[in-house]
Amino acid sequence: DAGVIQSPRHEVTEMGQEVTLRCKPISGHNSLFWYRQTMMRGLELLIYFNNNVPIDDSGMPEDRFSAKMPNASFSTLKIQPSEPRDSAVYFCASSFSSNYGYTFGSGTRLTVV
Amino acid sequence: QQQVKQSPQFLIVQKGGISIINCAYENTAFDYFPWYQQFPGKGPALLIAIRPDVSEKKEGRFTISFNKSAKQFSLHIMDSQPGDSATYFCAASPPTTSGTYKYIFGTGTRLKVLA
Repeated sequence: DAGVIQSPRHEVTEMGQEVTLRCKPISGHNSLFWYRQTMMRGLELLIYFNNNVPIDDSGMPEDRFSAKMPNASFSTLKIQPSEPRDSAVYFCASSFSSNYGYTFGSGTRLTVV
Repeated sequence: QQQVKQSPQFLIVQKGGISIINCAYENTAFDYFPWYQQFPGKGPALLIAIRPDVSEKKEGRFTISFNKSAKQFSLHIMDSQPGDSATYFCAASPPTTSGTYKYIFGTGTRLKVLA
């Protein structure tokens, strides 16, 4: 198993541009999580899906952020328009319901200049 | 009530020593307490976890001690090695009706083990 796959690994974009982060969860996992990691705030849960349905998006910071999961093998996190304060490492994680452990991807380091 | 407080922020230990990282929570409904290990450039990886019905769990050199009455839990790394140098996160999760556990993470401890 290749694990949770995120792309791109690094993204540098200008303020105001649209950014799309991608995630492929582990096959068979039915829960998917998007986290943001910064030095100041640590790991913050942005949104999670169960069986492709968004369950809790209370961590999404603003309407500029949106996430979709069109099928069990793909999810996107979009920021439009991006701002410098969005600079962070964004992690995707997946798990199987009733299985406590998450498997994280390697993250996407986003820099907005 | 949803916070998990972790300390220390930084920890330096000599090779062979014991590393101890502490976490405290407020929500008594939390029922699962994992520890994650993160190396630079990688995502966090599950290290060890405990349920509140036991006071200790050991896996190799890693031990979780859990004090339900004090609402505290800690990670002990015995015989610490330079390869243990990483950032460690504690987390807690409330019970779920959806079958999906929603972790709240501590702020992390950056451990450096000196050779």
